[in-house]
Amino acid sequence: QVHLVQSGAEVKKSGASVKVSCKASGYTFSGYAVHWVRQAPGQGLEWMGWINPGTGNTKYSRKFQARVTITRDTFASTVYMELSSLRFEDTAVYYCARDAGLNWGSFHFWGQGTLVAVSS
Amino acid sequence: SYELTQSLSVSVALGQTARITCVGNNIGTRNVHWYQQKSGQAPVLVIYKDKNRPPGIPERLSGSNSGNTATLIITRAQDGDEGDYYCQVWDGGSEMVFGGGTKLTVL
Repeated sequence: QVHLVQSGAEVKKSGASVKVSCKASGYTFSGYAVHWVRQAPGQGLEWMGWINPGTGNTKYSRKFQARVTITRDTFASTVYMELSSLRFEDTAVYYCARDAGLNWGSFHFWGQGTLVAVSS
Repeated sequence: SYELTQSLSVSVALGQTARITCVGNNIGTRNVHWYQQKSGQAPVLVIYKDKNRPPGIPERLSGSNSGNTATLIITRAQDGDEGDYYCQVWDGGSEMVFGGGTKLTVL
């Protein structure tokens, strides 16, 4: 069965960067897009971007375009999301989510989430 | 940018029918997906492409989409249906958009 296992919680200083990993198993890694979605405390879901693991092509939300980088390691079946120039408002749970295909735009499987806390 | 509007909260009596709406400009022309999120947990897809249920989602949950409103319908509401529900679309460009979420309470 499909599993997405994310790296552990992080505490970062304002201005630093964070890199969160998402290890996939149970399916053909290159066959499905992987998205990143975040949720600030008490807030709704916010889409950040996605990657085609087969080609490495990425698309980012306009909001995060300048600060987010999504990459993948095909040999490790792992997708990474790096967010730079962190500020307090980036404190959130970050989720990876697998698409139904390479461009369906729906999130059929989710990782467990990674809490990133940013302090000043 | 494309916007989706959801009611903040919906209440339903146990065993009755709940309707959660998602309003967007000509949303009927887009594929709408719905997610349930229980407290402290990751979201779960409950409806995709307007009306399709993933494996394991009960038939009590259904969806419709027409005009400017998509609707998630939960019949015979149970305590386990409580949580936050989010609608989501692809805006037709390169952005995925979520609604603000609706908190469902079963009385």
